[in-house]
Amino acid sequence: SQTIHQWPATLVQPVGSPLSLECTVEGTSNPNLYWYRQAAGRGLQLLFYSVGIGQISSEVPQNLSASRPQDRQFILSSKKLLLSDSGFYLCAWSVGGAGQPQHFGDGTRLSIL
Amino acid sequence: AQSVTQLDSHVSVSEGTPVLLRCNYSSSYSPSLFWYVQHPNKGLQLLLKYTSAATLVKGINGFEAEFKKSETSFHLTKPSAHMSDAAEYFCVVSDMTTDSWGKLQFGAGTQVVVTP
Repeated sequence: SQTIHQWPATLVQPVGSPLSLECTVEGTSNPNLYWYRQAAGRGLQLLFYSVGIGQISSEVPQNLSASRPQDRQFILSSKKLLLSDSGFYLCAWSVGGAGQPQHFGDGTRLSIL
Repeated sequence: AQSVTQLDSHVSVSEGTPVLLRCNYSSSYSPSLFWYVQHPNKGLQLLLKYTSAATLVKGINGFEAEFKKSETSFHLTKPSAHMSDAAEYFCVVSDMTTDSWGKLQFGAGTQVVVTP
């Protein structure tokens, strides 16, 4: 069966520090991969998606970036965090095209001080 | 374009009573629809999905949803609420346009409170 792992579960970072969140999927090949942010009291905002290695599409301009160095690995990064980057970050995967559900990891709670 | 509207931001039910979470959708195509549940500080878990087969869809944990094209609705129900059902629920539609890669449109969520 397929599984998705995100780490760390919680992270506290100072303003201006770098960020790296990692997500890996097991049990499937060539998944579509997604990064979402969920701010307190708000819905899910799609940040990035990827349909293959090295293929990244950005949905929202910001100081975050994403990379996909391997088929089942998706990384969210920042060179300098802002206070507004605080939130709950979720990674998800799907297979196939339109009409398929996405499957989510347990998320990373990021607090910026 | 696709969109979903969850008609209730908060629902409070007593343990053992029925749960009804309402969702209306808008879609130019025959939609794929999903319900997800999110417990505090957890990711979203897929409860059930509708993909143009049977209009009454059964999911996990005793939940089911009925697709009604004439009403553009996809309401989620459960006959008897359990304390563990307290969570946030999201109604979601999949973008079915021909150039889609699987983008989902999320409703704003319904927070469910279950009282003893």
